Amino acid sequence: KAGVTQTPRYLIKTRGQQVTLSCSPISGHRSVSWYQQTPGQGLQFLFEYFSETQRNKGNFPGRFSGRQFSNSRSEMNVSTLELGDSALYLCASNEEAWDTQYFGPGTRLTVL
Amino acid sequence: KQEVTQIPAALSVPEGENLVLNCSFTDSAIYNLQWFRQDPGKGLTSLLLIQSSQREQTSGRLNASLDKSSGRSTLYIAASQPGDSATYLCAVRNRETSGSRLTFGEGTQLTVNP
Repeated sequence: KAGVTQTPRYLIKTRGQQVTLSCSPISGHRSVSWYQQTPGQGLQFLFEYFSETQRNKGNFPGRFSGRQFSNSRSEMNVSTLELGDSALYLCASNEEAWDTQYFGPGTRLTVL
Repeated sequence: KQEVTQIPAALSVPEGENLVLNCSFTDSAIYNLQWFRQDPGKGLTSLLLIQSSQREQTSGRLNASLDKSSGRSTLYIAASQPGDSATYLCAVRNRETSGSRLTFGEGTQLTVNP
């Protein structure tokens, strides 16, 4: 099976803009989770979607949002970008909550 | 609130050495614990998953143990190789949380010198 894919791999935006990141899970996986990774904060959970419904949400401002489509693909959106949003955004998928999570290569977002 | 700590933050060893990476967590009510490796600028690669009912898991030169009552897990790497150089992360899934949410440690950066 193909692994988790994320597009784009790299993005450069300026403050105030918005951005949409995409994640395609492994075929058959219904759960998609998003994480933000920064040198200072490490890996932090953003949200999880399961069967098109948000199942969990981390402690991030409302500027961060997401959705999941019927084919399990997921997108996350960040509006009104701030310098501190520069990070590696990782997406992970699994079949059920107790299963191994498989991560994609990430999207590196730089906000100038 | 679950907190996960990994010690040491960095480790440098000569090739061929056996080594142990440590992970501790504050809330023992976990569903499972997962070990990952991350190469610079890349995503995470899953190494081992231990369910809360298990004591250890093995894959090749890797062996992970779990002592839920004391809030500890170790990752043992046998006969280390330069290709093992990476950051190793442990993550727990709490019982109180529905879904797949993981809480991560800060990682141990491992360097294996030829």
